[in-house]
Parts: sequence; structure tokens; C-alpha cells
Amino acid sequence: DQQVKQNSPSLSVQEGRISILNCDYTNSMFDYFLWYKKYPAEGPTFLISISSIKDKNEDGRFTVFLNKSAKHLSLHIVPSQPGDSAVYFCAASEIGANAGKSTFGDGTTLTVKP
Amino acid sequence: EAGVAQSPRYKIIEKRQSVAFWCNPISGHATLYWYQQILGQGPKLLIQFQNNGVVDDSQLPKDRFSAERLKGVDSTLKIQPAKLEDSAVYLCASSQSAYEQYFGPGTRLTVT
Repeated sequence: DQQVKQNSPSLSVQEGRISILNCDYTNSMFDYFLWYKKYPAEGPTFLISISSIKDKNEDGRFTVFLNKSAKHLSLHIVPSQPGDSAVYFCAASEIGANAGKSTFGDGTTLTVKP
Repeated sequence: EAGVAQSPRYKIIEKRQSVAFWCNPISGHATLYWYQQILGQGPKLLIQFQNNGVVDDSQLPKDRFSAERLKGVDSTLKIQPAKLEDSAVYLCASSQSAYEQYFGPGTRLTVT
């Protein structure tokens, strides 16, 4: 039973356009959500996060939106650049005793074409 | 600031052999994680340490996997004996806050 799902294994966009990566979760105890970016032969690197008390968090070209009622979050990258080509993982964490224990989705491979 | 260090980067062993991975977290990070990432999947938590103590090892196959964290700093993950399905990338991560984690480059294990 996968608690964090990224239903699109891959996404291809043109440079300069918007990239939208989606993530769904099932565990209502999740209260903190993160996006990580991974290049080949490297470990994931933290990109942006959002707490469940917010519905939007922005950092430069990256914006994460959270819809708690739908148990859905998305990562928007505007404008997309070729260097953004990587695997993006959505992760979710609980509060309390399980804080810090992140559950990851299987990732979406983003390709930004010049 | 130095990142999370892992070694070796690559390892090829035959099934039923043993293997060990080493991780040095970011200085001052109390929490250390070991993940298994199978090709095409996301990282799956194997074990979480808080300083010297184990916080969560519910998904660690304890019949063959073991891990320790020496003096609350470095950590080793061992597999003995290895199976074909253990072929994966083993990621170590550390954190200071409750949520954001810093990952090492991983060790790619191939079991033949």
C-alpha cells in the first residue's frame, strides 16, 4: 500500500514553459511535505517544502501547492530550464513521534528540452 | 560545510556474501537515516538513528541486515548474507531539523 504516489513517471516540457509535477497521498497524519531533486549518480537534494497549515510556498522559480482536502500537492517550476532535468521525489512526514520519518513517492523524471 | 560522505560508491558481490557500507553524516546532525532505493522506486527507509539510539528499524530485514552508529557520528550498514533482491542503491542521509534531510551520493550494490 503506497502512501505517497507520483502517478506520472515522466514529464517532458519545453524550455521556458511551466513544469507541473503532481503528488497524491493517502495518510491523513502527514503534515509536512517536501520535494527533492535527484541527478544521476547523486543523492537527492532538498528543493522546497510546505507545512500543512499553508496552501502555497514559493522559492524563486519553484512553488509548491497543497490541497489538504484532496490530499494532493504539486510542484510548479516557472520558467523551466534544461538544468532542471532530473528526477523529482515527493516526500511526506508525520508529526509527533514519527516526525522526521519521510515516506517517498517513486519519482517523476522531468526532461526540459532546449 | 562538508556533505554526507558514503563509501564505497560501487560494490559487486555474489549472493550469500557479506558487504558493509559506511556513512559519515554532516557534522552536528543528530539524526541519521539509511535508505534502500531500488531502480525505478523512491527511497525506502531501512533504519533511523537519533544520536546513538535506534528510532525506527521497522522496515529493516533483521535476519540479514544490521546497522550501528558509532559514538553518535559514523554509521555502518551490513548485509549478511546478500540476496539477489538486495541489488539497489543504499543512501545515507542526516538531518538537524525534524524534516529536511541531506543525502549522500549513495552506494550502488549489485548482487550476482
